[in-house]
Amino acid sequence: GESVGLHLPTLSVQEGDNSIINCAYSNSASDYFIWYKQESGKGPQFIIDIRSNMDKRQGQRVTVLLNKTVKHLSLQIAATQPGDSAVYFCAERGDKIIFGKGTRLHILP
Amino acid sequence: EADIYQTPRYLVIGTGKKITLECSQTMGHDKMYWYQQDPGMELHLIHYSYGVNSTEKGDLSSESTVSRIRTEHFPLTLESARPSHTSQYLCASSVLWSRLASDTQYFGPGTRLTVL
Repeated sequence: GESVGLHLPTLSVQEGDNSIINCAYSNSASDYFIWYKQESGKGPQFIIDIRSNMDKRQGQRVTVLLNKTVKHLSLQIAATQPGDSAVYFCAERGDKIIFGKGTRLHILP
Repeated sequence: EADIYQTPRYLVIGTGKKITLECSQTMGHDKMYWYQQDPGMELHLIHYSYGVNSTEKGDLSSESTVSRIRTEHFPLTLESARPSHTSQYLCASSVLWSRLASDTQYFGPGTRLTVL
């Protein structure tokens, strides 16, 4: 069936390094992808999105890469800060919106 | 900062009680959603609405019901709470889904429900 998953449940990164969070999706017809950040005790918050006609999109300190050939999505966070500590979810939109399992990002001092 | 609100934030209740979780948004969004989420886990869609008087069941079987009498309000009701209902419930809204539009959902802070 359709699924959106993240490769790692937990990722630990040194403060100041770049973080890369990965996501695999299975529906080749999905046309829109979104990354959300969820801090403890809060609802998910939109970070960045990308349409299927794009390969890359940049925001402030974040970049999303889309590889449709292998159905892979990644979120890159530059110069990771303590405030980036959260669970990150990818979501895809095909006939419906499906959320992945989430990767918890730990920032090491 | 999204203008979507949920009350209560935390609720501890006994088995068999009827509860209603409130969700309101002031963005004028047509589409609203309810998700169930265990801590750190994926979101499971339980109900959604395209607009006033529209309600649909999501992917996760749920014993809850919803109503959409006003655009801004989308309450979730459990007629008889059980321990298996213990979870976090997240409400979200978005502009009406369109293949030509982005589909960003704005989430409320969630209600953490514990049923004893």
